[in-house]
Amino acid sequence: QSALTQPRSVSGSPGQSVTISCTGTSSDVGAYNHVSWYQHHPGKAPKLMIYDVTKRPSGVPDRFSGSKSGNTASLTISGLQAEDEADYFCCSYVSSFTVVFGGGTKLTVL
Amino acid sequence: QLQLQESGPGLVKPSETLSLTCTVSGGSFSSSSYYWAWIRQPPGKGLEWIGSLYYSGSGSTYYNASLKSRVTISVDTSKSQLSLRLSSVTAADTAVYYCGRLIKASDAVEYWGQGTLVTVSS
Repeated sequence: QSALTQPRSVSGSPGQSVTISCTGTSSDVGAYNHVSWYQHHPGKAPKLMIYDVTKRPSGVPDRFSGSKSGNTASLTISGLQAEDEADYFCCSYVSSFTVVFGGGTKLTVL
Repeated sequence: QLQLQESGPGLVKPSETLSLTCTVSGGSFSSSSYYWAWIRQPPGKGLEWIGSLYYSGSGSTYYNASLKSRVTISVDTSKSQLSLRLSSVTAADTAVYYCGRLIKASDAVEYWGQGTLVTVSS
């Protein structure tokens, strides 16, 4: 399976909103609602931010939201904060116990 | 709180076998609600799913098609350890290797290890 497509980088100023896209195919993102998003600060373990397209784990701020349209899922971060600067990865179910990740997007808070 | 910790050699020679262990504390392998995976990130690149293991008594494994001929994932429940073996490594296998626990109902990686860097070089 091919990696999901994400923009290499996005940026925004504190307080603004940014959206990161994740494009797959009708066999992964478009077919299932098992899309998740991860925040990754270099040198640390990735952190689950969104699962099942729109759900937030306990403790994740509601500034983080997810959506999906067709073969593209999106992560929106509103009210940007300096600590949001990180790499973000999407992930989609493909088949039983098989997932595929995106190439990652570097978020810069200006 | 579940904790995962990867361990193994940080340097492997080309053509040899990479062997890593993920020690799990604070949880059980046998829950049918979860499954386990190895994921890697080559320098400057995105995450790549290597393979998964679902332990519901038997330990079914699923591998990335591009790595299938070289990968073996296994579990030792007596030691609470998940293992990865990747044979015939090349420089392209240089990466940070993570183990993770996924929620079966959503296929999301709920817990990650800190990751361990493995460099393939002579």
